[in-house]
Amino acid sequence: QKEVEQDPGPLSVPEGAIVSLNCTYSNSAFQYFMWYRQYSRKGPELLMYTYSSGNKEDGRFTAQVDKSSKYISLFIRDSQPSDSATYLCAMSLSGNTPLVFGKGTRLSVIA
Amino acid sequence: GAVVSQHPSWVICKSGTSVKIECRSLDFQATTMFWYRQFPKQSLMLMATSNEGSKATYEQGVEKDKFLINHASLTLSTLTVTSAHPEDSSFYICSARAGAHNSPLHFGNGTRLTVT
Repeated sequence: QKEVEQDPGPLSVPEGAIVSLNCTYSNSAFQYFMWYRQYSRKGPELLMYTYSSGNKEDGRFTAQVDKSSKYISLFIRDSQPSDSATYLCAMSLSGNTPLVFGKGTRLSVIA
Repeated sequence: GAVVSQHPSWVICKSGTSVKIECRSLDFQATTMFWYRQFPKQSLMLMATSNEGSKATYEQGVEKDKFLINHASLTLSTLTVTSAHPEDSSFYICSARAGAHNSPLHFGNGTRLTVT
């Protein structure tokens, strides 16, 4: 079993839909959880950064961490064509240890 | 926000030559920078951790003599791919933390290397 599992998609949704992206992980010691957005041929851009369990909201984006289930989610409300990208989850044991990435989910939002 | 600049954004080189990629932190000092490699439709794989003023730490399976890392200042790390081969063709991305040790990683825009 890989440390971080993420469905690669592709996921295609109509504009305005609510998008749910998920990752599961096997190492219960992970404490820091991140979501990055990566456009084609660009570096990843940090979207959300959370510590331990709970929810965090930033505009149209909501990140959820459920450590008991070893499951994290990113919700995108009112999705836009500009949200079309690959979304990578990442996590780390502590603030200064290397990140472990999921494979990324390719999202297409159709106008 | 924190900006990590990477140069060049793409490079094509011939087999056997060496290529240098620069990573700069533009508005902050970074004692540690990280170098990742990403193959098409794959996730980011950590290659090495670059430490200012000391030797880099390489991940298992990454040849330190092939991927030379120099972190001579608090704002610049370089990755040199020596004697490049076609299988070294990939997307190389650097990253750094802009603040305290537990602040999130920010990434450069990557360098697409094609070895012919």
